[in-house]
Amino acid sequence: EAGVAQSPRYKIIEKRQSVAFWCNPISGHATLYWYQQILGQGPKLLIQFQNNGVVDDSQLPKDRFSAERLKGVDSTLKIQPAKLEDSAVYLCASSLNLWGRARETQYFGPGTRLLVL
Amino acid sequence: AQTVTQSQPEMSVQEAETVTLSCTYDTSESDYYLFWYKQPPSRQMILVIRQEAYKQQNATENRFSVNFQKAAKSFSLKISDSQLGDAAMYFCAYRSAYSGAGSYQLTFGKGTKLSVIP
Repeated sequence: EAGVAQSPRYKIIEKRQSVAFWCNPISGHATLYWYQQILGQGPKLLIQFQNNGVVDDSQLPKDRFSAERLKGVDSTLKIQPAKLEDSAVYLCASSLNLWGRARETQYFGPGTRLLVL
Repeated sequence: AQTVTQSQPEMSVQEAETVTLSCTYDTSESDYYLFWYKQPPSRQMILVIRQEAYKQQNATENRFSVNFQKAAKSFSLKISDSQLGDAAMYFCAYRSAYSGAGSYQLTFGKGTKLSVIP
């Protein structure tokens, strides 16, 4: 079974530039998550999709971050414009289903390391 | 809001020995799930073990076991017969069993970096 795929693996940009990250979840997984992991900290949820609908985006800085999951499969996370404090690893995760399954395993991708100069 | 605290930023263990990683959490809920995730240098997080709060029995997965103390809100991970491949960041995470809006968010601690000495 193929895992969660993410690209690119690394990205260096200057502040105020735009950047986009792509995620392809495990086939058949209805739920997709984007996390931000700042150096020295645990991942923090940015946004959660159930199929192509947003379940939770309460911690997404909506003035600069946006995300979409067209057709309930792949997802794209965008930052525009980037700030220095956006330097982090962006992790994508997926799980089979969400409703009523708090015990469900989340499978993580390798992440995209972003450096904003 | 729930919080997860890992008080050991770094730990080391001799190969084949046993090590215990600590985790405490704060919650007012009675039903929840606790997880330990492993993040090797390649950065792909992998689930190590899961514990349901309503179960008194401690979870075990091969060389990995937990000591779950619900009253003390403590959830430690014990790794027996440590191997070189166990070297990684280990994250403790909390997930509520309740969700009004369908969001079962994972709340992570800051992690413990485990080194295994040959």
